[in-house]
Amino acid sequence: AQTVTQSQPEMSVQEAETVTLSCTYDTSENNYYLFWYKQPPSRQMILVIRQEAYKQQNATENRFSVNFQKAAKSFSLKISDSQLGDTAMYFCAFARRETSGSRLTFGEGTQLTVNP
Amino acid sequence: NAGVMQNPRHLVRRRGQEARLRCSPMKGHSHVYWYRQLPEEGLKFMVYLQKENIIDESGMPKERFSAEFPKEGPSILRIQQVVRGDSAAYFCASSPWGDSDTQYFGPGTRLTVL
Repeated sequence: AQTVTQSQPEMSVQEAETVTLSCTYDTSENNYYLFWYKQPPSRQMILVIRQEAYKQQNATENRFSVNFQKAAKSFSLKISDSQLGDTAMYFCAFARRETSGSRLTFGEGTQLTVNP
Repeated sequence: NAGVMQNPRHLVRRRGQEARLRCSPMKGHSHVYWYRQLPEEGLKFMVYLQKENIIDESGMPKERFSAEFPKEGPSILRIQQVVRGDSAAYFCASSPWGDSDTQYFGPGTRLTVL
């Protein structure tokens, strides 16, 4: 079974600054995907970024980037130039790589608050 | 291109009643997943379906809960004889055939059991 751990229940950052959210996971699988989702006050789950475990290059999406350390089973999210709209709960998630689909296993989340 | 649709958005039931939650996946998506989010917690997997097939229901309680994804129409998550502990947000996600790793979520149904 896979587990995902987010050790920071809450974080805050000043607008325009950079913040890093931590995530570690445990699995015996070699092929898998990792994701960050955000859940703003609207409660909608929004995909932020994804990483394929077989790719060494870290994924980047505009102001969002990850630091993927496969050996350490670590998958942190960096948000640059933080904006007020980034205030949300952020969930790290794991999925096995399957040809026919696979469930997501989520961490408990990190509540990020961006202060003006 | 419409996203994943869920209805109703809010559902109130009294203990012992039945709750039916509906999910229409994104156009072209043939995989549907249901997750439950209890207050102040992360999402927990319940069931994974493809058209007319339940692929993985290992996260779903054995009693009172059932799910289907018929050939035509939305996926349905059905909770019989609801209890207060069923109060939660229920999210549906879908993914396309051939790219089944990324799941796109609907807005969720918030179930309140009185």
